[in-house]
Amino acid sequence: AQSVTQLGSHVSVSEGALVLLRCNYSSSVPPYLFWYVQYPNQGLQLLLKYTSAATLVKGINGFEAEFKKSETSFHLTKPSAHMSDAAEYFCAVSDLGSASKIIFGSGTRLSIRP
Amino acid sequence: NAGVMQNPRHLVRRRGQEARLRCSPMKGHSHVYWYRQLPEEGLKFMVYLQKENIIDESGMPKERFSAEFPKEGPSILRIQQVVRGDSAAYFCASSPAESDGYTFGSGTRLTVV
Repeated sequence: AQSVTQLGSHVSVSEGALVLLRCNYSSSVPPYLFWYVQYPNQGLQLLLKYTSAATLVKGINGFEAEFKKSETSFHLTKPSAHMSDAAEYFCAVSDLGSASKIIFGSGTRLSIRP
Repeated sequence: NAGVMQNPRHLVRRRGQEARLRCSPMKGHSHVYWYRQLPEEGLKFMVYLQKENIIDESGMPKERFSAEFPKEGPSILRIQQVVRGDSAAYFCASSPAESDGYTFGSGTRLTVV
């Protein structure tokens, strides 16, 4: 089965600084990769989705992620952090056995320092 | 077009009672998924359903938990004889087809006292 590993359960950056949230997937090339964001006491919102059409995927709120097969990575970045970016971020992968089933990483909590 | 609707938002049950969580998928979505999120943890897959069929229940505990998605009406996640360890946020998601990415509901937060 597919899996994803998110490095760093908590990341803190200053407002205006680069945001980098790391995600590595298991070795088999997955059909799809996702990043979701969860604000406190809310459900998950899709930030972006990789579908093999392009290795650099642009999402909402200025986020983007790059698929690197050689590194089995799908890191999420944003050039300049905003206070409103503070949330929990989840990397996810579609399961090989069932493309509909999505497997989530353990999450990274992003804090923004004023 | 309403999103995925879950109710109730908060549910308190005493140990041994039954909990019924409801999920109405987005209009046009025929795939429903249930996930559980324990405090300070990620989402764990529980079950994947289509209308009147359970497609994948590999994440469901063997006992006390069941799910259905009838031809008419919402999907129901049922937990019988709840225990303190069932306290969690339960999220439902739906999609129109495979691999489209999910739309999540706001969740039901179950507290067992």
